[in-house]
Amino acid sequence: ETGVTQSPTHLIKTRGQQVTLRCSSQSGHNTVSWYQQALGQGPQFIFQYYREEENGRGNFPPRFSGLQFPNYSSELNVNALELDDSALYLCASSLAPNSNQPQHFGDGTRLSIL
Amino acid sequence: GEDVEQSLFLSVREGDSSVINCTYTDSSSTYLYWYKQEPGAGLQLLTYIFSNMDMKQDQRLTVLLNKKDKHLSLRIADTQTGDSAIYFCAESGGYNKLIFGAGTRLAVHP
Repeated sequence: ETGVTQSPTHLIKTRGQQVTLRCSSQSGHNTVSWYQQALGQGPQFIFQYYREEENGRGNFPPRFSGLQFPNYSSELNVNALELDDSALYLCASSLAPNSNQPQHFGDGTRLSIL
Repeated sequence: GEDVEQSLFLSVREGDSSVINCTYTDSSSTYLYWYKQEPGAGLQLLTYIFSNMDMKQDQRLTVLLNKKDKHLSLRIADTQTGDSAIYFCAESGGYNKLIFGAGTRLAVHP
């Protein structure tokens, strides 16, 4: 069974740039959620994707957007990067939304904004 | 509102038991979770408990849930140096999103 994989592992960008982070869900999982973890804090929910559509969103501005593909993999896009976007971005997959099946996390992408 | 609180730091001697505590606010949470994060890594699911249960045991891990007080605890028996990590408590909110506490850093010393 393949777990959740994320790429790249590290990324450095400058303010105003755009970034795309990628996630492959665990085999058999059709739901992907994205979280932002700032240094020293717990992860914060960004949004969830199910059946290629956004299925719930946290308190993040529209410059955070995403996609889900037919193979259930997902992308997180962030436009107009700000210094406060520096964080570990975690992807989690689960069997279905609202299923209360546990979410399984990847190792994250560490994004640094200069 | 939705909020999860944890103490920030716990230090224990190797071989002792560790107890990490958590309080949450959303009484409608169906499941409560414990995740472990080692340096430079993602979150590893340790265990989870359904809200109609009081206790769940899984090898060295024991989870206790007091739904009346909205209090969750994780006990690690015979704590080892490999248990040193940050432990996150999480409740399930709408859309099956997880609401995390700030994490408890567990330090195990000889």
